[in-house]
Amino acid sequence: GIQVEQSPPDLILQEGANSTLRCNFSDSVNNLQWFHQNPWGQLINLFYIPSGTKQNGRLSATTVATERYSLLYISSSQTTDSGVYFCAVNTGGFKTIFGAGTRLFVKA
Amino acid sequence: DAGITQSPRHKVTETGTPVTLRCHQTENHRYMYWYRQDPGHGLRLIHYSYGVKDTDKGEVSDGYSVSRSKTEDFLLTLESATSSQTSVYFCAISASGTEGPGYTFGSGTRLTVV
Repeated sequence: GIQVEQSPPDLILQEGANSTLRCNFSDSVNNLQWFHQNPWGQLINLFYIPSGTKQNGRLSATTVATERYSLLYISSSQTTDSGVYFCAVNTGGFKTIFGAGTRLFVKA
Repeated sequence: DAGITQSPRHKVTETGTPVTLRCHQTENHRYMYWYRQDPGHGLRLIHYSYGVKDTDKGEVSDGYSVSRSKTEDFLLTLESATSSQTSVYFCAISASGTEGPGYTFGSGTRLTVV
């Protein structure tokens, strides 16, 4: 089956810093989603982005489907950005496969 | 939450007992999913539903069954709970199986099997 790899696995930032999270996938995908799991365990959908670029406030995401990767940019990080970021891909049908996540800690 | 609730939020049960987790949505979405989240394994799909009474297996379906008799409810049953089923269980909904806008997750159920 498809492999979804996220990097880096862990990231520590000083508040105000920028960061880029990466998601590589091993096969063609129909769609890709980015999620944030906050320290209380809630999973929040950040982007549905099968291709192209989207922005939402300080966050933006780019997916280059032909090269099988997606990037999540976090600018001017805040302590509330802490948590785990997951990418999830769908290769057809109704099954979506999640990567292992990037754990982010933003220091005040 | 965007119209999706899971119950119970926490449960402790004994090995060998049956357990049913409930996912309830008010969005009238067609697609519903059950995932489990474990350290080192991320989120893994257990079962999913693409309509009333239409369900199928995910990647870790052994020991689990599901039912969907109404659009709004998707039940996950552990027939005979084992310690390996100790996990956090998440339900998700989507309006489309493959198109946007993607998944909305419930708050999760933390299940401990002792």
